[in-house]
Amino acid sequence: ETGVTQTPRHLVMGMTNKKSLKCEQHLGHNAMYWYKQSAKKPLELMFVYSLEERVENNSVPSRFSPECPNSSHLFLHLHTLQPEDSALYLCASSQMTGGGVFGSYTFGSGTRLTVV
Amino acid sequence: RKEVEQDPGPFNVPEGATVAFNCTYSNSASQSFFWYRQDCRKEPKLLMSVYSSGNEDGRFTAQLNRASQYISLLIRDSKLSDSATYLCVVNGAIGYSTLTFGKGTMLLVSP
Repeated sequence: ETGVTQTPRHLVMGMTNKKSLKCEQHLGHNAMYWYKQSAKKPLELMFVYSLEERVENNSVPSRFSPECPNSSHLFLHLHTLQPEDSALYLCASSQMTGGGVFGSYTFGSGTRLTVV
Repeated sequence: RKEVEQDPGPFNVPEGATVAFNCTYSNSASQSFFWYRQDCRKEPKLLMSVYSSGNEDGRFTAQLNRASQYISLLIRDSKLSDSATYLCVVNGAIGYSTLTFGKGTMLLVSP
């Protein structure tokens, strides 16, 4: 497999369910991200992991819980979500350098989440 | 001022037209600049990086003006397959940092 793969592609869940989104990157990158994309809004950063350590948590509600067991895998655990959490959830990876300038992201194909 | 601001769009153009997208960014310390393309219900994909000297890739030309904090993308000889949303992307600051995305400008190329 190449690039960044996300599963599942589509997910419908009730507000009381618990589910997890999975992301795997095969690019040897050292940073991974979760973004949320809602209709008519720009991509919103949720979490950043660099070298498996969470370096940013962009004021995301606790019903979203990330996990990064190694540099290639990233999970987003979901529980007691609200209908307004319905969106496209995108995982991305990149290579961070020490000089402050780094490359672009490679995105996974996303999980389209619907909360009912 | 929004971190990354783009023309609201959509832009409707005929095949063969030249179209320009504009973008401004608020953080003068930003170091990396990109244009991404996002097709309907798909993930964003890198179209091209933007360099201070300007750069060209086939029909696509990107320009950066650091003094004005302004980025542009020019598409010449538009094709139907160019129909997509174009996202202006800027990194936030020195050090580890993340990319900030504009809202995107939709382009619709018609026959």
